[in-house]
Amino acid sequence: DIVMTQSPDSLAVSLGERATINCKSSQSLLYTSNNKNYLAWYQQRPGQPPKLLFYWASTRESGVPDRFSGSGAGTHFTLTISSLQAEDVAIYYCQQYYSTLLTFGGGTKVEIK
Amino acid sequence: QMQLQESGPGLVKPSETLSLTCSVSGGSINSDRYYWAWIRQPPGQGLEWIGTISKSGTYFHNPSLKSRLTISVHPSKNQFSLNLTSVTAADTAVYYCARHQSPTIAVPIDRWGRGTLVTVSS
Repeated sequence: DIVMTQSPDSLAVSLGERATINCKSSQSLLYTSNNKNYLAWYQQRPGQPPKLLFYWASTRESGVPDRFSGSGAGTHFTLTISSLQAEDVAIYYCQQYYSTLLTFGGGTKVEIK
Repeated sequence: QMQLQESGPGLVKPSETLSLTCSVSGGSINSDRYYWAWIRQPPGQGLEWIGTISKSGTYFHNPSLKSRLTISVHPSKNQFSLNLTSVTAADTAVYYCARHQSPTIAVPIDRWGRGTLVTVSS
């Protein structure tokens, strides 16, 4: 299994400030034949299903505000919210689809300080 | 826009079989444009992928559930389903049906149902 480890487990950020979430995979998610990283990020607001934010590590899904950005390659990935808004309060998950055994990180809870 | 809706009992007794159906609207499973998935989330916990299936029956599953799990697709009804046998309290979770972005498992999940809570209890 590819183990996905997120850090921190939770963070509290002031409105308008930057939030950074890290995701580490136990093996590389870079498929060299197409130079793509098989990593997605999801946002799950309270009481709602997850929502896709990014895929291929940094490709923004349609409709996702540009204050969100995804970066990283290989085994280390980052989701950044450049200016936290109230509606960004949620749990964020990374997920690998490199393996046919799909796995998620444990989630990072983002709150307002 | 395509929507997915889970249905099934909200309460299942231990050792019995959990059966859920996902109804797809706003698009056809027969189009073979997507793969279809089940994911679950125990209360207050993270996400666990259960399995993925295509219209033609190509099937991937979480090995941790393999011996108890059946996922089927029913193109004529525009539905797919989940059966999980011999359930225990550890199977209590919100169960989501979902859609992969394209007809392969090697893509993210881009559309989710609202989820249905299944509680295993006598």
